[in-house]
Amino acid sequence: ETGVTQTPRHLVMGMTNKKSLKCEQHLGHNAMYWYKQSAKKPLELMFVYNFKEQTENNSVPSRFSPECPNSSHLFLHLHTLQPEDSALYLCASSHPGQHTDTQYFGPGTRLTVL
Amino acid sequence: GQNIDQPTEMTATEGAIVQINCTYQTSGFNGLFWYQQHAGEAPTFLSYNVLDGLEEKGRFSSFLSRSKGYSYLLLKELQMKDSASYLCAAVSGSARQLTFGSGTQLTVLP
Repeated sequence: ETGVTQTPRHLVMGMTNKKSLKCEQHLGHNAMYWYKQSAKKPLELMFVYNFKEQTENNSVPSRFSPECPNSSHLFLHLHTLQPEDSALYLCASSHPGQHTDTQYFGPGTRLTVL
Repeated sequence: GQNIDQPTEMTATEGAIVQINCTYQTSGFNGLFWYQQHAGEAPTFLSYNVLDGLEEKGRFSSFLSRSKGYSYLLLKELQMKDSASYLCAAVSGSARQLTFGSGTQLTVLP
């Protein structure tokens, strides 16, 4: 399944580093999402983009900065993270307006903050 | 607020049938998804229910009761490869956002 790809798959960074996560979808979708998945906790929606416009920011700290240059690409810029930000970061895409509006997920980036 | 409950863990034997329950309390409910997630992999879509009743798709079936705020995923003829986490997610609001449960870790034993 290569509909939604994410790079890197694994990332280790210090609290003072700046890094970026990349997501690309090849499904012709118009909406893209960032989720955080921590152990034993539900997936938490972070950001939503519809047609490149941010439509949702679920009270995410400013050390996470999303960017959506076009409908196929989504970035998550990371700066001055905390150890509790260590988690699996999942990207998803969907086609709003379709009956099921199913979200399709990428494999995620496993982030460790030291 | 939004609340999704599902069991944390379940164990079943290869060849058996297992039912994973999910209860939800959401405002503006629009439908319910089930996803399968193997360790270290992406969640993959299994089913979507918007109307009451049972939707069957091969070995997997999903049921929804909107009046009871209840759904279940039924897995038949279990195989070892079915060992995974199963995520229940409710769709709500005009933005059709997903609210996920914590997932049920299913272990299939030989």
